[in-house]
Amino acid sequence: GESVGLHLPTLSVQEGDNSIINCAYSNSASDYFIWYKQESGKGPQFIIDIRSNMDKRQGQRVTVLLNKTVKHLSLQIAATQPGDSAVYFCAENTRTGGSYIPTFGRGTSLIVHP
Amino acid sequence: KAGVTQTPRYLIKTRGQQVTLSCSPISGHRSVSWYQQTPGQGLQFLFEYFSETQRNKGNFPGRFSGRQFSNSRSEMNVSTLELGDSALYLCASSSEPGTGKSEQYFGPGTRLTVT
Repeated sequence: GESVGLHLPTLSVQEGDNSIINCAYSNSASDYFIWYKQESGKGPQFIIDIRSNMDKRQGQRVTVLLNKTVKHLSLQIAATQPGDSAVYFCAENTRTGGSYIPTFGRGTSLIVHP
Repeated sequence: KAGVTQTPRYLIKTRGQQVTLSCSPISGHRSVSWYQQTPGQGLQFLFEYFSETQRNKGNFPGRFSGRQFSNSRSEMNVSTLELGDSALYLCASSSEPGTGKSEQYFGPGTRLTVT
C-alpha cells in the first residue's frame, strides 16, 4: 500500500491492550477537534470528534480527552485489535468565514501485534 | 450510498505542465474540501467549496485553484507544476459545513507524481 508518512512516531501494542495516542495542538482559538484513522492506500476516516466545551467524549471502544489548558488531545482505544493498525491523525479546527479550517497533526503509526 | 470518488487515481506529469483533478462528493453533500498530503508536510488544507463558492483557502500559492459545479462535483487545478507538488491529493465531502456537525468523508485520493 501507499505510505502516508515517513518517520512518524510509532506505537506498537499487543492485541487486547489499550492504546493511547497523543496530540498537541497549537491554536487556543480552535474549538472543534477530530481524530482520523488512515489505512494504507485509503483516505482518512473519521473516528470521533469533540468540541472545546467538553473534556471527554466516548465512542465505541474509543475515548477522546481534551485538555485545553495545555492544548493536548488524546485518543484511547480499548482492547486494540489488528484491524486498528493504521496512522492516526488529530485535527484542530478553527472557525473562519462561516466554516472550519482544519490543521492536522503529523500522525502516529499504530502497529498492533496479534 | 456511493462514497467520495476521485479521478484519476494516479497521474504522472512533467514540470511546467498543468493538471486537473476531479472529485464527486457523496450524493446530497454540498461541501467539498481539498487537501494535499506529503511525507514532509503531512496533511494540509487547500480549500473548501460550498454551493459553488470558495469558503476558505489554505496557505498555498495561486497556482492551486479549484471550482465547484452546480451538482457539487469539484475540480482542482495546479498550473506550472513543480517537483514539490508531488503528493496525494485528497477530496472530502460533508453535508453541513460550519455547524460543527460536519463529519467529512474522504475519497481515496489522487496520487500525483511530477517528474
